[in-house]
Amino acid sequence: QQQVKQSPQSLIVQKGGISIINCAYENTAFDYFPWYQQFPGKGPALLIAIRPDVSEKKEGRFTISFNKSAKQFSLHIMDSQPGDSATYFCAAYDRGSTLGRLYFGRGTQLTVWP
Amino acid sequence: DARVTQTPRDKVTEMGQEVTMRCQPILGHNTVFWYRQTMMQGLELLAYFRNRAPLDDSGMPKDRFSAEMPDATLATLKIQPSEPRDSAVYFCASGLVAGGGNEQFFGPGTRLTVL
Repeated sequence: QQQVKQSPQSLIVQKGGISIINCAYENTAFDYFPWYQQFPGKGPALLIAIRPDVSEKKEGRFTISFNKSAKQFSLHIMDSQPGDSATYFCAAYDRGSTLGRLYFGRGTQLTVWP
Repeated sequence: DARVTQTPRDKVTEMGQEVTMRCQPILGHNTVFWYRQTMMQGLELLAYFRNRAPLDDSGMPKDRFSAEMPDATLATLKIQPSEPRDSAVYFCASGLVAGGGNEQFFGPGTRLTVL
């Protein structure tokens, strides 16, 4: 059972546009939500993360929006650039668990056309 | 610059052969994860270790896959016998799970092709 559902599976955006990727979860014990970015031929790497005590976190052109009541969170990439073309994974984590594992979404392949 | 290393980077083998993938986690990290990435399934967690002890390997087909951590600097994932459906990219990741910390650092992956 997929603990974190991610959409869309693929996304094509023109340079300068806004890319939006959405994720949803069911387990209310999750209290940390990172996004990982993966370039072709590389492993995923942490991009940005949010805790549920805030509704938004911004780092440069990347913003996470979090809706605790709806159990949804999303990644917004403003002014998308060709260099942003990558696969993006959302994830969820229960900081109170001793397991220490992340639950990943299935990924979104983003292509930004110049 | 600390990083996770994996060998080999690419492996092509024939069905039925044994495959061993190796991972060197970042020094000081106490948790090591093995993932498999395919287009259909995304990132699947196969197994993970805490302080070298297996914590969970429920994501792994037990009849052909095995994961071990013989020492703190080496984790191995073995497939015997390999099958074409095992073709995927296998990632190792390590992290320091303590006091709420959970960032995982991924290696570059091993691309496995089973003919």
